[in-house]
Amino acid sequence: DAGVTQSPTHLIKTRGQQVTLRCSPKSGHDTVSWYQQALGQGPQFIFQYYEEEERQRGNFPDRFSGHQFPNYSSELNVNALLLGDSALYLCASSQTPTGELFFGEGSRLTVL
Amino acid sequence: AQSVTQPDIHITVSEGASLELRCNYSYGATPYLFWYVQSPGQGLQLLLKYFSGDTLVQGIKGFEAEFKRSQSSFNLRKPSVHWSDAAEYFCAVENTDKLIFGTGTRLQVFP
Repeated sequence: DAGVTQSPTHLIKTRGQQVTLRCSPKSGHDTVSWYQQALGQGPQFIFQYYEEEERQRGNFPDRFSGHQFPNYSSELNVNALLLGDSALYLCASSQTPTGELFFGEGSRLTVL
Repeated sequence: AQSVTQPDIHITVSEGASLELRCNYSYGATPYLFWYVQSPGQGLQLLLKYFSGDTLVQGIKGFEAEFKRSQSSFNLRKPSVHWSDAAEYFCAVENTDKLIFGTGTRLQVFP
């Protein structure tokens, strides 16, 4: 049984560019949450998707957007990249919006 | 606002020694508390969680944690550390179906 898978694992972008990160949830899970983990910090909640809708959102600007597909997979999009967006982006899935989170290994984004 | 504080940024212990990682939370209601471990280049793995009931919680890999409401603490313990326990440890509190994490404690284990 595959766990939460994320792609790409590493990527480098320059300021002003746009990036899309992808996440496939664990089998049987219908809810996906995204977290940003800056270097030396704990993860911070970006948003949660359930039934293809953004269910709730953390304190992130509108440059951060997402999508959930009918197969429950999800994308995180970040526009107009800033140096401060450099971080490990973690995807977590759960059986329900209130269920236990299972984390992927993350996508490490470097913005130059 | 809800928050989690992990006072120790970095802890070093010898293999076989006991371990206690500190976590303090700020939360108005009865908290749901978690400890996660993150190995280098890896995602987060759940060690244990507290929702209610017995205040001493057993987790995986020989870890346990004790919830103390009077001290707003949820410290993680292990009686004998193994070299493979070297990692980053995060305490978290659940707030409306999302987790609020502390800044983490990096554990280094010497042979």
